Amino acid sequence: EPEVTQTPSHQVTQMGQEVILRCVPISNHLYFYWYRQILGQKVEFLVSFYNNEISEKSEIFDDQFSVERPDGSNFTLKIRSTKLEDSAMYFCASARGGQVETQYFGPGTRLLVL
Amino acid sequence: GEDVEQSLFLSVREGDSSVINCTYTDSSSTYLYWYKQEPGAGLQLLTYIFSNMDMKQDQRLTVLLNKKDKHLSLRIADTQTGDSAIYFCAESPYNQGGKLIFGQGTELSVKP
Repeated sequence: EPEVTQTPSHQVTQMGQEVILRCVPISNHLYFYWYRQILGQKVEFLVSFYNNEISEKSEIFDDQFSVERPDGSNFTLKIRSTKLEDSAMYFCASARGGQVETQYFGPGTRLLVL
Repeated sequence: GEDVEQSLFLSVREGDSSVINCTYTDSSSTYLYWYKQEPGAGLQLLTYIFSNMDMKQDQRLTVLLNKKDKHLSLRIADTQTGDSAIYFCAESPYNQGGKLIFGQGTELSVKP
């Protein structure tokens, strides 16, 4: 069964450093998402992406964040200058369609900013 | 604003039924979802219900939707120890890029 994969599974970085989190969505999916879950808190929506552009983003997704689909298979989330409060589990998801289609989640990348 | 609320913990005995409750605020949500998260794993879709339905049954899972009260529940029949996990309720507000708004998750503990 096809699945969403994410790399790395864990990343430790110093405050102020740039990180890139990678996701490989399911191959025939067209809609892509990033969410994050700070330890002990809710899973929060960050951004949705379709047709090579952002379709919706949350207040969390400020200028420090960017997303890209650099080739036909990868979907990346870049954090330019990490802060301590960026420490969280980051989940990628993909879906065949938009509003009414099921989103399939990857296993997550645990990011720790020191 | 958009918000989804769940109770944090539920403990049941193996073989009993579990009922996990959720309330949501956005009446525009077309679909409502239940996801399961096992330790160290991602979010796995369990089931969903379309907003014009009252009930959906899928093997041991029954979803009940009270749209008037914006209340959603997930019933797991004959709960097994393998059902121990965190269960997330989520809504998908209309015309917002498909984003999901999650509750804080209910940790289900199943005791033998």
